[in-house]
Amino acid sequence: QLVLTQSPSASASLGASVKLTCTLSSGHSGYAIAWHQQPPEKGPRYLMKLKSDGSHSKGDGIPDRFSGSSSGAERYLTISSLQSEDEADYYCQTWGTGIHVVFGGGTKLTVL
Amino acid sequence: QVQLVESGGGVVQPGRSLRLSCAASGFTFSTYGMHWVRQAPGKGLEWVAVIWYDGSNKYYADSVKGRFTISRDNSKNTLYLQMNSLRAEDTAVYYCARVEHYYDNIGAFDIWGQGTMVTVSS
Repeated sequence: QLVLTQSPSASASLGASVKLTCTLSSGHSGYAIAWHQQPPEKGPRYLMKLKSDGSHSKGDGIPDRFSGSSSGAERYLTISSLQSEDEADYYCQTWGTGIHVVFGGGTKLTVL
Repeated sequence: QVQLVESGGGVVQPGRSLRLSCAASGFTFSTYGMHWVRQAPGKGLEWVAVIWYDGSNKYYADSVKGRFTISRDNSKNTLYLQMNSLRAEDTAVYYCARVEHYYDNIGAFDIWGQGTMVTVSS
């Protein structure tokens, strides 16, 4: 069974960088994922698609401050030069034949 | 401007039905797989259903199988979710979402709607 695991919370200071992690369950390390941002009381917004080799393609208008990387079964979202508007929930998503679509539990990012 | 706009949410009693709509604009709707995703209050995102770009295949989460039906009208650029036998645990914001690449039915969601709230309560 494909499961995506995310830490429930993370925090970092204004202007600093933060790295969020999404871990694919055993046997699924080759899957691509997508990262989505959900500000408080708003709908999700697509940030990027991230492959197992670390290559990624970002959505329209996503700032260069957002980047992705991969290592084994882990997929990372790094946000640099944190701004107050980056405070949001961040979800990873994956997909595949038979499993259809799976979301991680989300990480709530607090900008201090 | 690529856009998805949901409508049809509201308060409904347990056991009753509701139909959600998702109006698409700014892209060739008939060439994209479409999904419904929901989010219960204070909870994470939960995938609900997918329909192929041409309507030829539909798949559902176990939690809604047999009660919900996804459909689309490509002539009206509209996606639907018919929800029957509603339960309290179906209370959520419902989002429609587009798959990133045309003719891909399952993949990254690159466009989301703003959501419509469904509350199931007596």
